[in-house]
Amino acid sequence: DVKVTQSSRYLVKRTGEKVFLECVQDMDHENMFWYRQDPGLGLRLIYFSYDVKMKEKGDIPEGYSVSREKKERFSLILESASTNQTSMYLCASRTGGPFYEQYFGPGTRLTVT
Amino acid sequence: AQKVTQAQTEISVVEKEDVTLDCVYETRDTTYYLFWYKQPPSGELVFLIRRNSFDEQNEISGRYSWNFQKSTSSFNFTITASQVVDSAVYFCALSDEVPYQGGSEKLVFGKGTKLTVNP
Repeated sequence: DVKVTQSSRYLVKRTGEKVFLECVQDMDHENMFWYRQDPGLGLRLIYFSYDVKMKEKGDIPEGYSVSREKKERFSLILESASTNQTSMYLCASRTGGPFYEQYFGPGTRLTVT
Repeated sequence: AQKVTQAQTEISVVEKEDVTLDCVYETRDTTYYLFWYKQPPSGELVFLIRRNSFDEQNEISGRYSWNFQKSTSSFNFTITASQVVDSAVYFCALSDEVPYQGGSEKLVFGKGTKLTVNP
């Protein structure tokens, strides 16, 4: 079975802190994704990566950056956390091509105070 | 631009009732893919089904069935004889073919339908 793990289920950070959310997949998938999920807004894509060191902006990249140094790991970075970044963050991975389903991690609920 | 609309925000049914979750999509592409995901209270999205735009055959898997109609741009999901364990948020999603056609490899999600099945 594909497994996508995220470093924390719950995280509380202060405004202005630099925050790292880590995601690891164990199926050698080329593509990895970061979403945020907010009530009434569904899932919105922040960034995705289609290969090591390759990334592309999603719909809401502002305030975020990403890093993919190894194929299995995709990190989401909040350079200076703000309260409007309080949300559920979901990581996903997929083998190449839009035909294939994405596999999701359990999510990280981030609260910025 | 791609868009997925799930008009039903919340649905509440009593166990053993049948329930249909609606999904309407928009895309300019002739080749695209549609998905349904389930998000139980634990939070992790679970893939349920994929359908490509050239395959309009309906699909049945146990109590679940899917009706894909290109003429109405809909991909509806029916749960027969619902159970409490079906309580979850269900997402419909769309992915188009390839980036050079102006799309991308990202998945566009609807806002989800929260289904509550009461005993």
